[in-house]
Amino acid sequence: EVQLLESGGGLVQPGGSLRLSCEASGFTFSGYAMTWVRQAPGKGLEWVSGITHGADDTYYADSVRGRFTISRDNSKNTVYLQMNSLKVDDTAIYYCAKPYSNTWQFDYWGQGTLLTVSS
Amino acid sequence: DIQMTQSPSSVSASVGDRVTITCRASQDISSWLAWYQQKPGKAPKVLIYTASSLQSGVPSRFSGSGSGTDFTLTINNLQPEDFATYYCQQAKGFPLTFGGGTKVEIK
Repeated sequence: EVQLLESGGGLVQPGGSLRLSCEASGFTFSGYAMTWVRQAPGKGLEWVSGITHGADDTYYADSVRGRFTISRDNSKNTVYLQMNSLKVDDTAIYYCAKPYSNTWQFDYWGQGTLLTVSS
Repeated sequence: DIQMTQSPSSVSASVGDRVTITCRASQDISSWLAWYQQKPGKAPKVLIYTASSLQSGVPSRFSGSGSGTDFTLTINNLQPEDFATYYCQQAKGFPLTFGGGTKVEIK
């Protein structure tokens, strides 16, 4: 059974940093790209970042480029999202998601972790 | 960036109705489109991928169609558990983008 378990969310002041983690199980993690998607309170889904299976390529939304960094450790079946220079607008539930093979459509999602950026 | 425009933003329907949700891409995305269902407090769940492929385990009352720029999600014989918010997502290119969502409410 595929499972994605996010952790690391919490309350951070504007300008602060935080690292989210997503531990995967139930599939060959090193064979799949991974992604982060967020959802601000009461709003729709917003794609944040993606990383290919071997970490050769990374992709970012314009809203986070230069502030967020996605990475992965295939030995730990974990994908990370390092978030720096956080803004109030980054407040959201952050989901990690696994895509189908060879596409950036997502067949499994984690339960999400909440980031609140507030003073 | 590829913009995804969903309509309607909300729809009121009764159990047993047919509901149709449309999604329009700002440029040709071939069939690189997925549909997700999200219930309050839960993560999204994929229903349809590559425009018309039904995800395993999803009831056959859900169907997707379209290619290029215009896509449709149809729910036949709406069931109580189908009241939720639905999103389309293009997977043609980065940045990946979602539609604004369609909330299916009980009439």
